[in-house]
This record gives sequence, C-alpha cells and structure tokens, in this order.
Amino acid sequence: DTAVSQTPKYLVTQMGNDKSIKCEQNLGHDTMYWYKQDSKKFLKIMFSYNNKELIINETVPNRFSPKSPDKAHLNLHINSLELGDSAVYFCASSQEQGRRSPLHFGNGTRLTVT
Amino acid sequence: ILNVEQSPQSLHVQEGDSTNFTCSFPSSNFYALHWYRWETAKSPEALFVMTLNGDEKKKGRISATLNTKEGYSYLYIKGSQPEDSATYLCASLTTGGFKTIFGAGTRLFVKA
Repeated sequence: DTAVSQTPKYLVTQMGNDKSIKCEQNLGHDTMYWYKQDSKKFLKIMFSYNNKELIINETVPNRFSPKSPDKAHLNLHINSLELGDSAVYFCASSQEQGRRSPLHFGNGTRLTVT
Repeated sequence: ILNVEQSPQSLHVQEGDSTNFTCSFPSSNFYALHWYRWETAKSPEALFVMTLNGDEKKKGRISATLNTKEGYSYLYIKGSQPEDSATYLCASLTTGGFKTIFGAGTRLFVKA
C-alpha cells in the first residue's frame, strides 16, 4: 500500500515542452507539498496546499503551476520547460500542515530536460 | 544561524562503531525539528519529531537530543550496521509559517 505515490518516476523531455507530474496520498492528510531537490541535494519547498488551498508559494517561476482537485491529490504542471528545471521533484503530505507531524514523501520524479 | 546546517557532510564508519552527527538550526522562533532517514533510491522517512528543549527520543539503536536555546540537535547511532547506511536529514520548522527548512544531510556509510 503506497502512502504517497507520484508518477511518473522518470520524465525525459525537450526544452519548451509542457509536462505534468501527478501525486496522490491515501493517508487522509490535509496538507500536501511539492519539493525540489536542487543541485546541492537540498530539498527546497515549492508549494504547499492545505485542504485544496494554496498556503505556501515560494519564489518559483510561474511556469510551475500546482493543481489540487481534492485534498488527496496535488499535481504539478510545468510549462515551457527549461534546462534548469532538471531535478528530482518530491511530493509529500502531512497531517497538520507540516508542523509537528512529519512529512511523508513520495519516491520522487527525476525530470531531465534536454 | 539562518539556515539549517548539518555536519559532517559524510561519514564512513566500520560495522559496530557508534557515531553521531549534528544539526544546527535557527534558535529564534523555533517550533519543531524533524529527523529523516533517506536510503538511496527511496524516499525520506521520518525518524523523530522533536519539539521541547531537552527532548531525547530513541528508536532502537538510534537516538536524538535537542537544544532549542542554542539551536542544535544530535543524532546518535549505537553499534552501526550496514543497513544504517543512508542520508540523515534534519528539518527545522519555525513559528509564524508553514515551511520546513531542510539541511543538506549527513551521508553515512557503514562498512561490514
């Protein structure tokens, strides 16, 4: 039983394309997140949604647009992909807006833009 | 300290050795500290959630302490085993926001 699942696991695409990464959690959590693992391996928050409402929107290019159709799903759509978007993207969820309850992560999506 | 810093960056130990590493975080507006274990090709898994100054948590051979006044936490592994090989991440949460700020992790290699 996968708690937080994201698809696809690998995504190779060309510059300029539009792509989406899907995330679903079956833990009944209220809050979901997208993190980007940067070139120095840091996990950096991109977005956070609580009960389908956007609560964190870091300094991310507006080519990145999260969409939460319900509290169990948070998808990430990326327009006009650039080389610098290549990274591993992690979806996560938590019970209490990521404060005292820990994050539960998906296995990551490795995006390669050529 | 404005960011979350972890040291050392990597650590090589022999099976049976005990080891520890450090997480330094902003002490002002402290709310909680999380430790995660991240094995290669998997996703990070939560080890501990620590909230009170002086907290000590233990899970099997792994334990952690917390000093919120000076802004540091130690993670200890007693009698390291090869299966302990992983990256250990700490993450700081502050009041007034919902952001979890991660350190870069300590990469532990345990040789049999």
